[in-house]
Amino acid sequence: QVQLKETGPGLVQPTQTLSITCTVSGFSLTSYYMQWVRQTPGKGLEWMGFIRSGGSTEYNSEFKSRLSISRDTSKNQVFLKMNSLKTEDTGVYYCARSALYDYYVMDAWGQGASVTVSS
Amino acid sequence: DVQMTQSPYNLAASPGESVSINCKASKSISKYLAWYQQKPGKANKLLIYDGSTLQSGIPSRFSGSGSGTDFTLTIRSLEPEDFGLYYCQQHNEYPPTFGAGTKLELK
Repeated sequence: QVQLKETGPGLVQPTQTLSITCTVSGFSLTSYYMQWVRQTPGKGLEWMGFIRSGGSTEYNSEFKSRLSISRDTSKNQVFLKMNSLKTEDTGVYYCARSALYDYYVMDAWGQGASVTVSS
Repeated sequence: DVQMTQSPYNLAASPGESVSINCKASKSISKYLAWYQQKPGKANKLLIYDGSTLQSGIPSRFSGSGSGTDFTLTIRSLEPEDFGLYYCQQHNEYPPTFGAGTKLELK
């Protein structure tokens, strides 16, 4: 059974760094691309980037300068780190699995980690 | 980036009815359009990709049509579990982009 679960800090102060972990089960990170998508009140659903099955990454230019996606395949975990947070980064952050037939299609999602950026 | 415009923003219907949700791309995306369902407390669910291909496990009452810039998600004979939010997403080019969503509510 495919499962994805995000864990994050809940509250982050402005200018600080957000770190979220996505733990997966039921499939291998070496076989699938893994994506990060966020949902904010201001911009709705936004694709942030992915890490390929081979470990290389691709980012949305909107976030490129402050976003990093990495993974630990031995722990079945994917990581999102984003620095210089602003209040408008408040929202829900999802990890999602890319479909094998098209890496921009997301065929399994986590329930999301809610993040509030506030002092 | 390709802008995706969904309509209507809100839609009220009763179980057993059929509804359609529209999605318009700011430029041609060929057939590469996906639809997702979002419900509180549940993981988002992929319904359709490539405009009209039903994802495995999704009931046949869901169907998608369209190509180029105009697409439609149709749900026939609504079931109680179908009420929620629906999003379109283009998967033709970088970066993939989403519509603003359509809320399907119980009438």
